[in-house]
Amino acid sequence: AQTVTQSQPEMSVQEAETVTLSCTYDTSESDYYLFWYKQPPSRQMILVIRQEAYKQQNATENRFSVNFQKAAKSFSLKISDSQLGDAAMYFCAYRVDTGNQFYFGTGTSLTVIP
Amino acid sequence: NAGVTQTPKFQVLKTGQSMTLQCAQDMNHEYMSWYRQDPGMGLRLIHYSVGAGITDQGEVPNGYNVSRSTTEDFPLRLLSAAPSQTSVYFCASSPGTGGWETQYFGPGTRLLVL
Repeated sequence: AQTVTQSQPEMSVQEAETVTLSCTYDTSESDYYLFWYKQPPSRQMILVIRQEAYKQQNATENRFSVNFQKAAKSFSLKISDSQLGDAAMYFCAYRVDTGNQFYFGTGTSLTVIP
Repeated sequence: NAGVTQTPKFQVLKTGQSMTLQCAQDMNHEYMSWYRQDPGMGLRLIHYSVGAGITDQGEVPNGYNVSRSTTEDFPLRLLSAAPSQTSVYFCASSPGTGGWETQYFGPGTRLLVL
């Protein structure tokens, strides 16, 4: 069974600093995709960034980047120059290329301190 | 485009009552899904559909029914509500079923079963 683990229930970061959120996953598949979603207090789920497992290059989206370690089954999210608007719950998710199911981690609540 | 819409936003039920959570999307997406979000559990897939007339079970399908008679609509039915079904429910859709496809989420329905 596929599982996604986020071992940090809560994290905090000073405004303008950098923070890294951890995610590990367990799979026997070789082709899959990984996602980070953000859920602000409004509860709306928003895609932050995604990564194809067959790509060695780490994905980046402006201030957001990932550190994808396929052998270690690790997919961490780095937020640079943290802003107050980054405060939210962050979910790591996994999907097999040929599968129809997303698997989500339990989330990390990020607080940004002014 | 309205995106993914869900109604109602909040509902209180008594144990044993039935109700339907509505979900609609206007993006002509093939794939639609229902999740429940519980504290410390992340999002768990209830049911999903890869097209009109096709539905399948996810991780936690017991107590829920779905149907997909049109591309746009994917209602979730609770036949006999139980307190264990108190949760926040999210509907999501994506253009296709490929692993790369990200999901677009609705705003959620908060359900309280007494």
